[in-house]
Amino acid sequence: DAGVIQSPRHEVTEMGQEVTLRCKPISGHDYLFWYRQTMMRGLELLIYFNNNVPIDDSGMPEDRFSAKMPNASFSTLKIQPSEPRDSAVYFCASSSGQGAGELFFGEGSRLTVL
Amino acid sequence: QKEVEQNSGPLSVPEGAIASLNCTYSDRGSQSFFWYRQYSGKSPELIMSIYSNGDKEDGRFTAQLNKASQYVSLLIRDSQPSDSATYLCAVLLLYNNNDMRFGAGTRLTVKP
Repeated sequence: DAGVIQSPRHEVTEMGQEVTLRCKPISGHDYLFWYRQTMMRGLELLIYFNNNVPIDDSGMPEDRFSAKMPNASFSTLKIQPSEPRDSAVYFCASSSGQGAGELFFGEGSRLTVL
Repeated sequence: QKEVEQNSGPLSVPEGAIASLNCTYSDRGSQSFFWYRQYSGKSPELIMSIYSNGDKEDGRFTAQLNKASQYVSLLIRDSQPSDSATYLCAVLLLYNNNDMRFGAGTRLTVKP
């Protein structure tokens, strides 16, 4: 079975540009999470979805960040406009309702904003 | 106070020794606790979960939970160089049973 698939793996962009990160969760998982990891702040929960519906977006840092899940197999995290402080590794993870706590992470998208 | 706190390390132990990793949490009502391992440049992976007070053993790994003290630990016996990684403590918050909060992680190095 394929795991959580994220793209792109690496993104380098200039300040002010729009960035879109993509995620395909494990088939059958009904929870999808977006996390951000930095050396300073560790792993932070940004937003999570249940059955494609956003449940808690209190971790989204600013209005520049938005996330969507149009269907059960796809989610995007968009940053517009991007800033250097957004540089981080962004992880998508999925889980099933029966396995709360067991998150399966994608390989992450490393974002560098110059 | 952070929701989940860990010593960032680094923690260095010789091969074959016991590595002890510690974690405290602030949400007294939390019921579910996890240890994730993250190799450098990789994503976190679940290695242990614990829900009841006491010890839970899985191979060379033992998770310990003390809810009264709001304390979780992970012991790695017979440490191997391949255990060198960052270990993340994670807690499911009581009020939101799918909101997983992570500690900053403890970097462990096992020296041959």
